[in-house]
Amino acid sequence: EDKVVQSPLSLVVHEGDTVTLNCSYEVTNFRSLLWYKQEKKAPTFLFMLTSSGIEKKSGRLSSILDKKELFSILNITATQTGDSAVYLCAHMEYGNKLVFGAGTILRVKS
Amino acid sequence: SQTIHQWPATLVQPVGSPLSLECTVEGTSNPNLYWYRQAAGRGLQLLFYSVGIGQISSEVPQNLSASRPQDRQFILSSKKLLLSDSGFYLCAWRTPGTALPNYGYTFGSGTRLTVV
Repeated sequence: EDKVVQSPLSLVVHEGDTVTLNCSYEVTNFRSLLWYKQEKKAPTFLFMLTSSGIEKKSGRLSSILDKKELFSILNITATQTGDSAVYLCAHMEYGNKLVFGAGTILRVKS
Repeated sequence: SQTIHQWPATLVQPVGSPLSLECTVEGTSNPNLYWYRQAAGRGLQLLFYSVGIGQISSEVPQNLSASRPQDRQFILSSKKLLLSDSGFYLCAWRTPGTALPNYGYTFGSGTRLTVV
């Protein structure tokens, strides 16, 4: 059974800090790893990672995948209170089903 | 444009009562449809998915069932709710064959169900 594990489960930082969220996975056939941001309701897509070592970047957020060590990280620099959310990591299985980790709850204090 | 509607947004139901949550998609044909559940403090877990009318696959044994009576309608049901059915239910859809940017996955706004 495919498994996705995120750490830490929760994190509190101050505005301006840089945070790193971790996602490790054990899957039968790797396809893609996806990151989402969830604020109360529907998850919002952030990144999809398929190849090792290629950083995806969007503003203050970036993510990278290591297929040898079976993990991905999501970095957020210069955090803002609007970054407070649950960050979800998921593996997209063949069959187009998403297997999610438990998520990391990030709280940014002003 | 393509949109997904999910209702109701919140629901409080007594134990033993029936449940019906509905999800409809507009602006696309023959979508793949999914029901996910998120228990408190947990990630999303796939409950059911459907690749066509009347075609339902169940991912986990549970007290719930799903149906797809029309191409763009996906319904989650229960005959008798349990306390453990409480959670946040999300419907999602994608167009088959879509790869980027995220395999075309789009989530609805969710239903927060509390069983009391």
